[in-house]
Amino acid sequence: DTEVTQTPKHLVMGMTNKKSLKCEQHMGHRAMYWYKQKAKKPPELMFVYSYEKLSINESVPSRFSPECPNSSLLNLHLHALQPEDSALYLCASSPLSGNEQFFGPGTRLTVL
Amino acid sequence: SQQGEEDPQALSIQEGENATMNCSYKTSINNLQWYRQNSGRGLVHLILIRSNEREKHSGRLRVTLDTSKKSSSLLITASRAADTASYFCATDGAGQDMRFGAGTRLTVKP
Repeated sequence: DTEVTQTPKHLVMGMTNKKSLKCEQHMGHRAMYWYKQKAKKPPELMFVYSYEKLSINESVPSRFSPECPNSSLLNLHLHALQPEDSALYLCASSPLSGNEQFFGPGTRLTVL
Repeated sequence: SQQGEEDPQALSIQEGENATMNCSYKTSINNLQWYRQNSGRGLVHLILIRSNEREKHSGRLRVTLDTSKKSSSLLITASRAADTASYFCATDGAGQDMRFGAGTRLTVKP
């Protein structure tokens, strides 16, 4: 299995909702990433997990809460989001930090 | 935050022509990578070049790296309509995880 899967593909939520994005890989990669991408912009790094421990948090607001329950799974918990948080959220994994990253197809999030 | 800057921002060519995209960056790097993204989809890794390498080839792709100028170029030869996508360079360096450039939107007309 050489792919990264993300669910859901699309998500619409209100500002008071709580939802979660899920990312899964079975390539044995030990680094996993969350990126946020606005239209016509490059991906912006949000979080990095290395060996299931949070190693980088790029000053992301606390309404985004990452979780890495095991080496194959990465979640992003969302709570009290703002309309400006609407974006494509991409998950990626790599064997180790500094190697090529394998990206999932993304979750298109709309916050109303 | 962004590390690299790409030019041109947009490029439109005819099928069969070559496409060249450039990437400049600001700080010392360990690796530079190029990725492709079709509209609204995930990114696909194209090629990785390490700081001690000057040129790499992969199929119709040729990447060069000039660390003295802090720049890289991606050449796609004999372009096809299916090459239409956004292309991003990404760099990582000491104490810093991967950062993407602004990207070049390539359109290849059939």
